[in-house]
Amino acid sequence: EAQVTQNPRYLITVTGKKLTVTCSQNMNHEYMSWYRQDPGLGLRQIYYSMNVEVTDKGDVPEGYKVSRKEKRNFPLILESPSPNQTSLYFCASSSAGEETQYFGPGTRLLVL
Amino acid sequence: RKEVEQDPGPFNVPEGATVAFNCTYSNSASQSFFWYRQDCRKEPKLLMSVYSSGNEDGRFTAQLNRASQYISLLIRDSKLSDSATYLCVVNNNAGNMLTFGGGTRLMVKP
Repeated sequence: EAQVTQNPRYLITVTGKKLTVTCSQNMNHEYMSWYRQDPGLGLRQIYYSMNVEVTDKGDVPEGYKVSRKEKRNFPLILESPSPNQTSLYFCASSSAGEETQYFGPGTRLLVL
Repeated sequence: RKEVEQDPGPFNVPEGATVAFNCTYSNSASQSFFWYRQDCRKEPKLLMSVYSSGNEDGRFTAQLNRASQYISLLIRDSKLSDSATYLCVVNNNAGNMLTFGGGTRLMVKP
């Protein structure tokens, strides 16, 4: 089954404790992206990657890091999480030249 | 001003009603337009693309007005299962980078 998976789905952590949210897709998509969704603000792009070893900042990259060492994986790293990073995070992927993005199920993060 | 703006709603309508949502976008260079559907606590999923000539998919009709920079979605004969948040999405001709509106919430009541 074609899908985008994220782990963990739910996470409660404390300020300053490094965490990684994994994202994996099995559709051989070139493009992957991370979004955060907050009430009243909609979905905002954090980082995106056009292909392996190619990443770039989205609209709200501060406090986040990403890597794209393999085509299928695009982890999101919070080196020192803060309460303002409490949010619902979505990973998405799409094929080059195809604008439809396929989203993962979301990761709900609470930073205390 | 937000790049893509939508009325957050909620729109409360009875089953069988026709309901329409509008969305405005600020970047006149925007090339592609979409409506995504998002159920509560779930991921967004593509509902339909929006073409310049307008397009229809069953009970759903999408239209684009480039001159006024707005997109619309019309839902006819609303079903309970149409209850969701509808996201207006714009591609500003930057590869696969999409800009999302805040969403319009629809609640269809029996």
